[in-house]
Amino acid sequence: EAGVAQSPRYKIIEKRQSVAFWCNPISGHATLYWYQQILGQGPKLLIQFQNNGVVDDSQLPKDRFSAERLKGVDSTLKIQPAKLEDSAVYLCASSFPGQGAGGFFGQGTRLTVV
Amino acid sequence: DQQVKQNSPSLSVQEGRISILNCDYTNSMFDYFLWYKKYPAEGPTFLISISSIKDKNEDGRFTVFLNKSAKHLSLHIVPSQPGDSAVYFCAASAYNFNKFYFGSGTKLNVKP
Repeated sequence: EAGVAQSPRYKIIEKRQSVAFWCNPISGHATLYWYQQILGQGPKLLIQFQNNGVVDDSQLPKDRFSAERLKGVDSTLKIQPAKLEDSAVYLCASSFPGQGAGGFFGQGTRLTVV
Repeated sequence: DQQVKQNSPSLSVQEGRISILNCDYTNSMFDYFLWYKKYPAEGPTFLISISSIKDKNEDGRFTVFLNKSAKHLSLHIVPSQPGDSAVYFCAASAYNFNKFYFGSGTKLNVKP
C-alpha cells in the first residue's frame, strides 16, 4: 500500500513570496489533515477535510493560508504572502473517518522563509 | 493554550532497560490517546493507542498507561533497544471529533 505522498520535500523562499505544497493521501482515505510543525513543537492541526469538505479550519491563518481538496483526493496548501514565522515542516496525513489509529503521515515539506 | 504537554524534552536510557515517557493533558473531554514515533526526516508513525475506558494497553514491548483522574498517560518501552531512539509524541482527541492535539515530543536516546 502506497503511503501519503508530499511534495516538495524542501522549499526555501523569501518573505512575502508565495508557496504551495501538494499532498496525495492513501487511496480510499476520506479524511485529510494538514499540520504545521514548528521546530521543538508538536504538530498543530491547520485544516481537516472530509472528502472535499472542510471539517475544521479553526487554526488556519486565513489571511495568508488557503487549502483545497478538489474531488476529495489530492490537496494543496498555499501560503501567500509568507512570513518568517511560517518556517516549519508542513505535514499531511490521511485516514478513514473515525479511524482509531489517527492519521497516516507523509514525510512532510520543510519550509524555510528567509 | 497547550492542551497536551510533554514536559521532558529528552530522555536517555541504557539498552535493555525500561524507557518511560510521560504526557499530561488538561481537557477532560479527551477520551482517546495515541503515541506516535518520529525518526528524523520522516513523518510521525502510529505506535499505540488507548481509549479512556481502559487504563492499560499493551503491544509487544510497548505499554501505555492512562490515569484519568490525574489526566496523565505514560508509554513504557521494555526492553529498550537502540532502534527505539526517536522523538515520541503523545496526542489526544475527543474521539467523535477525530481531531488530535499533539504534545511537543520527547526525544528518546537508547544507548548501546
